Amino acid sequence: NAGVTQTPKFRILKIGQSMTLQCTQDMNHNYMYWYRQDPGMGLKLIYYSVGAGITDKGEVPNGYNVSRSTTEDFPLRLELAAPSQTSVYFCASSPEGSPLHFGNGTRLTVT
Amino acid sequence: AQKITQTQPGMFVQEKEAVTLDCTYDTSDPSYGLFWYKQPSSGEMIFLIYQGSYDQQNATEGRYSLNFQKARKSANLVISASQLGDSAMYFCAMRGYGGATNKLIFGTGTLLAVQP
Repeated sequence: NAGVTQTPKFRILKIGQSMTLQCTQDMNHNYMYWYRQDPGMGLKLIYYSVGAGITDKGEVPNGYNVSRSTTEDFPLRLELAAPSQTSVYFCASSPEGSPLHFGNGTRLTVT
Repeated sequence: AQKITQTQPGMFVQEKEAVTLDCTYDTSDPSYGLFWYKQPSSGEMIFLIYQGSYDQQNATEGRYSLNFQKARKSANLVISASQLGDSAMYFCAMRGYGGATNKLIFGTGTLLAVQP
């Protein structure tokens, strides 16, 4: 049982480049989330989805986009990378009302 | 708006002693859930314990218990008999069940160091 899988594990981007962080889950969870964690800080919610075709902004959505075409996948898109987006990104999923299952994170550096 | 506050940036505890990590919250949702997660230095997020706002009894999971005081809006984590492996960052989180939000927000965390 793979759970929540994030790829890549590490990535270095130049300012202005774009990339997609992949997230997939095999637990048939309706709810999926993207968080970022800056060094020494808590997790900030970027975007979340309550089901396929439905997404909504979290606390820090600027500079990011998401889509949810299937229950399994919830990719996060960075269009114009900026140094402020250097962070660790976590994807998570859950059934309604239950604890979140987290992926292992993607460490992104923008230089 | 929802808010989670953890006022202890760091704490020390002696091995085998109990420790309490503080968490206060604010929400307008009548129904909500409170969670604690552990993040060791390896970085993964590990779910520890859950308390529903309408649960009559405080949640317990092994050495972890949640001291839930609804009127004070606090949800402190108690770790009994601390072990060296408990050294980690601990996050309190809250999830409202009003409307279609169902999003989980986190506090800033408490770094716990267990000393031998």
